[in-house]
Amino acid sequence: KAGVTQTPRYLIKTRGQQVTLSCSPISGHRSVSWYQQTPGQGLQFLFEYFSETQRNKGNFPGRFSGRQFSNSRSEMNVSTLELGDSALYLCASSLMLGEAFFGQGTRLTVV
Amino acid sequence: GENVEQHPSTLSVQEGDSAVIKCTYSDSASNYFPWYKQELGKRPQLIIDIRSNVGEKKDQRIAVTLNKTAKHFSLHITETQPEDSAVYFCAATKGGGADGLTFGKGTHLIIQP
Repeated sequence: KAGVTQTPRYLIKTRGQQVTLSCSPISGHRSVSWYQQTPGQGLQFLFEYFSETQRNKGNFPGRFSGRQFSNSRSEMNVSTLELGDSALYLCASSLMLGEAFFGQGTRLTVV
Repeated sequence: GENVEQHPSTLSVQEGDSAVIKCTYSDSASNYFPWYKQELGKRPQLIIDIRSNVGEKKDQRIAVTLNKTAKHFSLHITETQPEDSAVYFCAATKGGGADGLTFGKGTHLIIQP
């Protein structure tokens, strides 16, 4: 069974640009969550999608958005990038109320 | 919202000794408490979890205890081995699974040979 796949693995963007990250969950998993990991703030919850609906959202500005497709694949978008958005972005998938499996993450560097 | 405090931030133990990491949470509605291990450059991986209707759970050398009244839970690793060296994160959520996990800041566990 393939694990959670995130693309791309690494990304370098310039301040002010926008970026789209992709996450393919484990087959059969309909819940996909996104997390931001930084040395200073640790792991912080961005949002969670289930059956194409955003069910839960963390405390991030509106520049951070996401969506989920009918095949459960999810994308997150960050607009008007800031230096502070540099982080490892992790996606996790799970069955309803089940164990969360994380992807390898996308390392975003904003210069 | 939920707040999870984790201690210590760094823990160094001799190989073969036990290690204990403690977390407290603030939201009494939280009902699922997973622990993740993250090795350098790798993804977080679930090592054990506990739900609020259980007080203790064991899996070989790893155990987790939960005290709902005091709102704290702990990770116990016995007979530590070099491969246990990593950063460990506790988390809490009301939803179960990956939904809305609030993480502690992490504990860097160092196993001294």
